[in-house]
Amino acid sequence: SQTIHQWPATLVQPVGSPLSLECTVEGTSNPNLYWYRQAAGRGLQLLFYSVGIGQISSEVPQNLSASRPQDRQFILSSKKLLLSDSGFYLCASSPATGNTIYFGEGSWLTVV
Amino acid sequence: GENVEQHPSTLSVQEGDSAVIKCTYSDSASNYFPWYKQELGKRPQLIIDIRSNVGEKKDQRIAVTLNKTAKHFSLHITETQPEDSAVYFCAARGVLIFGAGTRLAVHP
Repeated sequence: SQTIHQWPATLVQPVGSPLSLECTVEGTSNPNLYWYRQAAGRGLQLLFYSVGIGQISSEVPQNLSASRPQDRQFILSSKKLLLSDSGFYLCASSPATGNTIYFGEGSWLTVV
Repeated sequence: GENVEQHPSTLSVQEGDSAVIKCTYSDSASNYFPWYKQELGKRPQLIIDIRSNVGEKKDQRIAVTLNKTAKHFSLHITETQPEDSAVYFCAARGVLIFGAGTRLAVHP
């Protein structure tokens, strides 16, 4: 079974500062990778998904970006954070030939 | 694109009662429908899923039913227990689009 590592677990960043969240996956090859965001008490919003290295699809226009430099590495970035970027960020993975999505532990981001 | 609507947004039941959460989807090409349970401050965990070639699936106290014609699917929890209290999310489509979630509270 696959294991998803995501870090950092929590961070507090000032408005206008950059952001980098990293996710790596073990136990599977060529996975589909996803970034979701969850505002406090809200649902799961799909931000980005990737079906392969360098292939990124964006679901929602925003000041965030994603990159997939390696097969099992997915990075979420921002050049300048906004207060509205606060939330619980979840990296997720599904097998290339399957549908089931598994989530990482999540990263709590507070923008102050 | 796919749109998933989930209701109710909150559900309160007595221990031992049944709970039902319903979702509708818009994309008739969707063929995979999972349910996730999320406890406070934790990641969502898959609890059951169903594919479009099956109408019903059961796993102990949990069952999911799918009506492809009407484009809706439901989660059924029988004999609810306090530890079932959590937020439940449905999802649809290959790249999963989630419903808004149902906060289930089971009272002893």
